[in-house]
Amino acid sequence: QQQVKQSPQSLIVQKGGISIINCAYENTAFDYFPWYQQFPGKGPALLIAIRPDVSEKKEGRFTISFNKSAKQFSLHIMDSQPGDSATYFCAASKNNQGGKLIFGQGTELSVKP
Amino acid sequence: GAGVSQSPSNKVTEKGKDVELRCDPISGHTALYWYRQRLGQGLEFLIYFQGNSAPDKSGLPSDRFSAERTGESVSTLTIQRTQQEDSAVYLCASSFQGLGEKLFFGSGTQLSVL
Repeated sequence: QQQVKQSPQSLIVQKGGISIINCAYENTAFDYFPWYQQFPGKGPALLIAIRPDVSEKKEGRFTISFNKSAKQFSLHIMDSQPGDSATYFCAASKNNQGGKLIFGQGTELSVKP
Repeated sequence: GAGVSQSPSNKVTEKGKDVELRCDPISGHTALYWYRQRLGQGLEFLIYFQGNSAPDKSGLPSDRFSAERTGESVSTLTIQRTQQEDSAVYLCASSFQGLGEKLFFGSGTQLSVL
């Protein structure tokens, strides 16, 4: 049973555009929602994370929007750059088990110059 | 070193052989995790060590998989009698107690079972 569903599987965006990746979860016990960025041949790196007590969190060009009632959250990358080309994973964990994450399937983002 | 170190970076083995993968976490990090990443897939949790507590083994897919950790340092993941479906990247991550959610991942070991 896939507890975190991520879409789209791949995304192509022009430089300067907005990249949007969506995730939906099933378990209402989840209380921590991070996004990880992974470059080829490297391990994932934490990009930004949110808890359900807020609806939005912004760090630089990266924003998480969170909709608790719909059990959905999304990553927005503003002014997308070629250097943002990577695979992005959403994830979730519950009950203070912050590092024991359930990951989405990943989105391969390509930003064209 | 500054980051999580994993070795070997690549391992090719024959079906039925045992393999051992190593992880050196960031110094001072008390929590250590193993994840598996199959080609084109998200990461799957395998096992979690926190200090001297009993490990959380709930993600291990079969009894062919085991892991050990010496104190708050090196960990080894052992896969016995490897199968082709074990082919994947095995990722280790560590975190600092109190900031437990932020995981620092190594670059992984690419395991290929022929």
